[in-house]
Amino acid sequence: GPKVLQIPSHQIIDMGQMVTLNCDPVSNHLYFYWYKQILGQQMEFLVNFYNGKVMEKSKLFKDQFSVERPDGSYFTLKIQPTALEDSAVYFCASSLDRINQAPLFGEGTRLSVL
Amino acid sequence: AQKVTQTQTSISVVEKTTVTMDCVYETRDSSYFLFWYKQTASGEIVFLIRQDSYKKENATVGHYSLNFQKPKSSIGLIITATQIEDSAVYFCAMREGNSNNRIFFGDGTQLVVKP
Repeated sequence: GPKVLQIPSHQIIDMGQMVTLNCDPVSNHLYFYWYKQILGQQMEFLVNFYNGKVMEKSKLFKDQFSVERPDGSYFTLKIQPTALEDSAVYFCASSLDRINQAPLFGEGTRLSVL
Repeated sequence: AQKVTQTQTSISVVEKTTVTMDCVYETRDSSYFLFWYKQTASGEIVFLIRQDSYKKENATVGHYSLNFQKPKSSIGLIITATQIEDSAVYFCAMREGNSNNRIFFGDGTQLVVKP
């Protein structure tokens, strides 16, 4: 079936550096999401995105975070600068519509900030 | 306030038996959508089944079914004839009808299916 792909699967960076997490959503999907999960705990909502705009963001979506999907390519989450507490697994998800479809999740990118 | 609550941290069952995982939710919206996902040992998150609040009939997909008790704000997941490969963490989730699409997840329930 259709899949959401996340690249890379693991990224290690030094605190203070910039990192970009890439998500390749299902080709005809229109809604995109990022979630953060620390050590197998609860999935925490960061942001959702539609039609080139952020629809909603949570308190976890700090000023250092940004998302974009330039020219319909990857949906990216950028963190600049990174902090130690940003270490987590970041999951991207996408869905065709807002109501009728449950979002499909990618396999996550493990971010380790040293 | 926690929107989705899963009180069972971990459940262990013998394969081929039936297991029920609890979930209660909180919302003021008259329309909402409830989901169950599972997260495998590899970290993959897989959508399993959903229940729309306006539907009275409990959803069923394969060996997954839901026990939707709207007056109690409860949406239990029932897995019949469990298999070893059902071992995973199961997350209950909710999307409110008037939201911008945010989905709230519970803390998850670890299911261990033993031979």
